[in-house]
Parts: sequence; C-alpha cells; structure tokens
Amino acid sequence: AQSVAQPEDQVNVAEGNPLTVKCTYSVSGNPYLFWYVQYPNRGLQFLLKYITGDNLVKGSYGFEAEFNKSQTSFHLKKPSALVSDSALYFCAVRALNSGNTPLVFGKGTRLSVIA
Amino acid sequence: DGGITQSPKYLFRKEGQNVTLSCEQNLNHDAMYWYRQDPGQGLRLIYYSQIVNDFQKGDIAEGYSVSREKKESFPLTVTSAQKNPTAVYLCASTPLTGTGDYGYTFGSGTRLTVV
Repeated sequence: AQSVAQPEDQVNVAEGNPLTVKCTYSVSGNPYLFWYVQYPNRGLQFLLKYITGDNLVKGSYGFEAEFNKSQTSFHLKKPSALVSDSALYFCAVRALNSGNTPLVFGKGTRLSVIA
Repeated sequence: DGGITQSPKYLFRKEGQNVTLSCEQNLNHDAMYWYRQDPGQGLRLIYYSQIVNDFQKGDIAEGYSVSREKKESFPLTVTSAQKNPTAVYLCASTPLTGTGDYGYTFGSGTRLTVV
C-alpha cells in the first residue's frame, strides 16, 4: 500500500528566510512524487513532480524539491520565502508504472510566512 | 480556457436529503476523481473513473454514489446514508498515459454544509 507522511501540521517562517516542508513516502518500487499548493477557497494547484532523473526538481513560483531514495523523502524547499507563499501544501505519491491508479495524498502542511 | 468546473461552490443539505455535486471538464481527460477534504485529514478518495460507464470505489465510498455517462462529466451524489457529509469536495482529472506520470488538474471545490 502507498502512503505519504507530512510530519508537520504547521510551518512558520520569516519572510526572506529559506523554507522547507517535509514529506516522506512509502510505495512498492519506485515512486512518482508530486507537490500541490492550495490557496484559501481554491482547488489544488500543481507545483512540481519527480518522475525520474535528476534528484533536484524545480517547479513553479521558485519552489524546488529534492528526491532522496535512501530516506524515502521528497522535501519541498524555497531559498527565500514570500508572504504570498502562505498556503496549504500537499505531497502525493503513486508507484512507478502503476498506470493511472489514484494519487495518495498526505494530510497537508500549512505554511505561514510572517512579514 | 480548459479546466474543471465544479458547481455549486457552496451547498447546504438538510438532514435526510440527497444532494448532487457537479463536475465538468473540457480537458479531454479520461480519468476523473472525487476527493473529500477535511481539516487535518488531507484528501481522501471517494470514487474514481477511468472510462465512461465505469467507476471504482475509493477509501471512503460509503454514503456516496457517482455516474459517468459522458467523458466530460462525473457527478457525485451525497446520500442520506452519509452521516457526516460536511466537508469540501474536490474533483480532479488526468489523461490516461499508462505510465502514471501525469498529475491531476483540480476544480475549485464545493463546500457542503449540513444544516
């Protein structure tokens, strides 16, 4: 069975500081990994994905994520946080070559960037 | 613009009443999904469909029903058997690639409240 853990319900960071939102996963075989962001009263928007290749993935709005197979992690990072980054972030996983089986989502981490 | 339209944005249900949430997409995506979002619980899969006239139960299908008569449409009915339906309902879609490397496109959600 596939699962995702986001160990922090809330992350607070000062504007201009680097931010990290943590994600670990469990899947049989190799994973496809995704990050989504949800702004208030909106649906989820795609940020980035890891499929194969370079372990450092760059995505929208200056975000990036590092795939670490040995630690089964896919942490989301940004070098300098903006107040507008404040939102709810979800990590999701699907096993490689599992067709279009549904994504499994973590519980979400609320990021608060303080001016 | 292509996308997913969910309606209504807000919905109020009386005890014992069935209600239907609409989800329409013009992305020509094959697969469609319904997730329920509760605070602190992330996204939980209700139903999904990969082809017209076929659908599968997700993790929390009890008290819900769906149909997929057209590729573009995947309505969700919340029946009176669902005892705690207050939540945000998110619809998503994705093309069928066989490899599973596509993520989802989400609608903006329907907030259902029991009154």
